[in-house]
Amino acid sequence: QVQLQESGPGLVKASETLSLTCTVSGGSITNYYWSWIRHPPGKGLEWMGNIYYSGSTNYKPSLRSRVTMSVDTSKNQFSLKLSSVTAADTAVYYCARRPGIYNSLGFDYWGQGTLVTVSS
Amino acid sequence: QSVLTQPPSVSGAPGQRVTISCTGSSSNIGAGYDVHWYQQFPGTAPKLLIYTNYNRPSGVPDRFSASKSGTSASLAITGLQAGDEADYYCQSYDSSLSGSDVFGTGTKVTVL
Repeated sequence: QVQLQESGPGLVKASETLSLTCTVSGGSITNYYWSWIRHPPGKGLEWMGNIYYSGSTNYKPSLRSRVTMSVDTSKNQFSLKLSSVTAADTAVYYCARRPGIYNSLGFDYWGQGTLVTVSS
Repeated sequence: QSVLTQPPSVSGAPGQRVTISCTGSSSNIGAGYDVHWYQQFPGTAPKLLIYTNYNRPSGVPDRFSASKSGTSASLAITGLQAGDEADYYCQSYDSSLSGSDVFGTGTKVTVL
């Protein structure tokens, strides 16, 4: 059974960089797209971007200037960096697996989520 | 601002049938991209409920069904149960703006 686990600081200061890692267990990171999705309090789900195991990325246009995703196949991990954070970036951050091209199969496995709060 | 629009809330009595609409456009659902549905309980991660328009993952009861037509999709829950009270999100792919995965605005299902 594939499992995903997010890790990283739960508190980040405004204007700094949020960094999270997702560790995949029970399966290989190869041959899949992997995604970051966040859920701000009181709002809906927001897709942030995808990374293929080869390292190619696709980011949400409104976040493109601040987001960087990377993958480490040797550790079965992928990571998210979001720079210049503000209070609006406070959210539960999820990592998820995205099996299909053009998202033809949905996000089938999710991490439990980690709350990141941006403090002033 | 989401490109997939859902009603904020729907409600029904136990045993009833409720439907949730997901309205998109010609760059996402209308372009033929697949629609998926997720169920999310408070404080937990979303769970894939329906994939590729109408398919149920193993373990999802057949009380949940979905369809897609034109620029819209819908999720139906029959035999509504107290345990179905949750938030539901549709999701698809949008070819505009270099291509993005997009979520619906979300619908809260309340069992009366």
